[in-house]
Amino acid sequence: SYVLTQPPSVSVAPGRTARITCGGNDIGSKSVHWYQQKPGQAPVLVIYYDSDRPSGIPERFSGSNSGNTATLTISRVEAGDEADYYCQVWDSSSDRRVFGGGTKLTVL
Amino acid sequence: QVQLQESGPGLVKPSETLSLTCTVSGGSVSRYLWSWIRQPPGKGLEWIGYIYNSGSTNYNPSLKSRVTISVDTSKNHFSLKMGSVTAADTAVYYCAREILVPGGGYFDNWGQGTLVTVSS
Repeated sequence: SYVLTQPPSVSVAPGRTARITCGGNDIGSKSVHWYQQKPGQAPVLVIYYDSDRPSGIPERFSGSNSGNTATLTISRVEAGDEADYYCQVWDSSSDRRVFGGGTKLTVL
Repeated sequence: QVQLQESGPGLVKPSETLSLTCTVSGGSVSRYLWSWIRQPPGKGLEWIGYIYNSGSTNYNPSLKSRVTISVDTSKNHFSLKMGSVTAADTAVYYCAREILVPGGGYFDNWGQGTLVTVSS
């Protein structure tokens, strides 16, 4: 089965840029989606189709995907960005939806 | 804006069947794919399965033998049944709508989630 690998944690100072990676075999050939989850809340879609932003998501959130790594980039990080972030893809071989293990973003 | 709301018992005994319903407002369950996703306490997200086209289903192979997802278009809701539950099935259960795009779909709307505890 397809596996997505994320770093357990990423720390960044306010105003700096956070990059959260999502690794998978030839993930660049798949569409990658990203979700933000704050404590006690449901996940919220922040990036879909590798790099598109839903309405209401700040332009500070961007995504890229190539080779074996997809990346969620958060520019000018704010305290309110502190959350868990999950990547997700469709595994075409099994028609499964697969999530990465999640990355906890800490704003220092 | 579509809204989803999970409902069902918060406590289920081991070996019994977990039953949840997701009521959809602001949209029709006859369109799109509708999924169940769960999250054990302190852990990550796990996709359980989906239903679409008012009846076609697909399940996570790791849960397939115990899971059934159904839909009631007259009530605009869809349901999850999971049999033979154990403590490992304790989790927050979410329902979500999936939008298909080339290369795979994404979940654009989620319910608030409901905690189901498996315990005697």
